Amino acid sequence: RKEVEQDPGPFNVPEGATVAFNCTYSNSASQSFFWYRQDCRKEPKLLMSVYSSGNEDGRFTAQLNRASQYISLLIRDSKLSDSATYLCVVNVLANTGGFKTIFGAGTRLFVKA
Amino acid sequence: DVKVTQSSRYLVKRTGEKVFLECVQDMDHENMFWYRQDPGLGLRLIYFSYDVKMKEKGDIPEGYSVSREKKERFSLILESASTNQTSMYLCASGRTNYGYTFGSGTRLTVV
Repeated sequence: RKEVEQDPGPFNVPEGATVAFNCTYSNSASQSFFWYRQDCRKEPKLLMSVYSSGNEDGRFTAQLNRASQYISLLIRDSKLSDSATYLCVVNVLANTGGFKTIFGAGTRLFVKA
Repeated sequence: DVKVTQSSRYLVKRTGEKVFLECVQDMDHENMFWYRQDPGLGLRLIYFSYDVKMKEKGDIPEGYSVSREKKERFSLILESASTNQTSMYLCASGRTNYGYTFGSGTRLTVV
């Protein structure tokens, strides 16, 4: 089983739609959680951190459920510019100290006019 | 803004060559990472370092080594390049629990 698993996608949605991405992680000792966005042929960029209390940044809402080991990202009122791959990311405590950062395979989103 | 600089954007090397990929960050971050990204496989962790002279193997360390002699610089070394190491290599740095910044990547082709 992969350490971080995401919906395979791709998601094809019209402009203005609400879209939700899901992610599960296997290591219960995971410490911190993030969503990244990656545009075609570009490097990943941090979108937002994910907290147990849930957090919102404009049209984006992230949720963490530690008991279920589940992370979500909700995008409201989708824009064409939201088209990208969304990566779920988990920090896991490494054996000798420090943290190992593990990326999900990503979910591709296409927003159409 | 944090800047993570990778020495080359595109690189072509011959099989058997020793290859050095350099990464420099300007924000005094303790954590640095090397990933490779291949179509259909996503980002896979090669090595990471959480302090100077410290290094830990990631998920696919075979055929690679790293060096972190100074906090700002993390080098990835391909001891003897092979065609299956043709890939996009991405370096990242950051502080734990705050997310990381990536360099723009090095597209390496081994012929």
